[in-house]
Amino acid sequence: KQEVTQIPAALSVPEGENLVLNCSFTDSAIYNLQWFRQDPGKGLTSLLLIQSSQREQTSGRLNASLDKSSGRSTLYIAASQPGDSATYLCAVNNQAGTALIFGKGTTLSVSS
Amino acid sequence: NAGVMQNPRHLVRRRGQEARLRCSPMKGHSHVYWYRQLPEEGLKFMVYLQKENIIDESGMPKERFSAEFPKEGPSILRIQQVVRGDSAAYFCASSPSEDSVVEQYFGPGTRLTVT
Repeated sequence: KQEVTQIPAALSVPEGENLVLNCSFTDSAIYNLQWFRQDPGKGLTSLLLIQSSQREQTSGRLNASLDKSSGRSTLYIAASQPGDSATYLCAVNNQAGTALIFGKGTTLSVSS
Repeated sequence: NAGVMQNPRHLVRRRGQEARLRCSPMKGHSHVYWYRQLPEEGLKFMVYLQKENIIDESGMPKERFSAEFPKEGPSILRIQQVVRGDSAAYFCASSPSEDSVVEQYFGPGTRLTVT
């Protein structure tokens, strides 16, 4: 059974700092991995999708990497801003390639 | 191109009533997924539907919950005889195909409160 874990559960940093969020999964036979952002009381915004054959994806100040063999992904945020404050969720496709399996998220707070 | 639409955004029901949650997928998308986010927990998959078919309902509670995606109109998640434990945010996502490398696009969610 696939399980997704995100560490840390919460993170507070000053503005301008570079930071890394971690995601691990127990079954390396994933099809793809998505990183989402969720603001309080809001829906999910897709940030990056990494296909199983890829090792990383970049969008602006965000870079996500994938190491299937070790069951890990990282989301790197460069030059953090107060507007980056949100909960970041990692999700993988299960073995059937349909439903997403989510971690519980990392809640990021960036202070000005 | 409008995103995934969900309504209502907030729904309050008394114990024992029925809750009907609606989801209109993005234009051109024929695959719909429902997820539930309980307080202090992660999102959990409930059901995956294509037009007129339930493909995977492995995450649906065995009783009181049902889902449909008719040929015309939105997908409906129906909860009968709601209990306080059903209070949660329910999210719908859509994708254009069953291809596993395709992103799922999420709606804003419906927040159900059972009093």
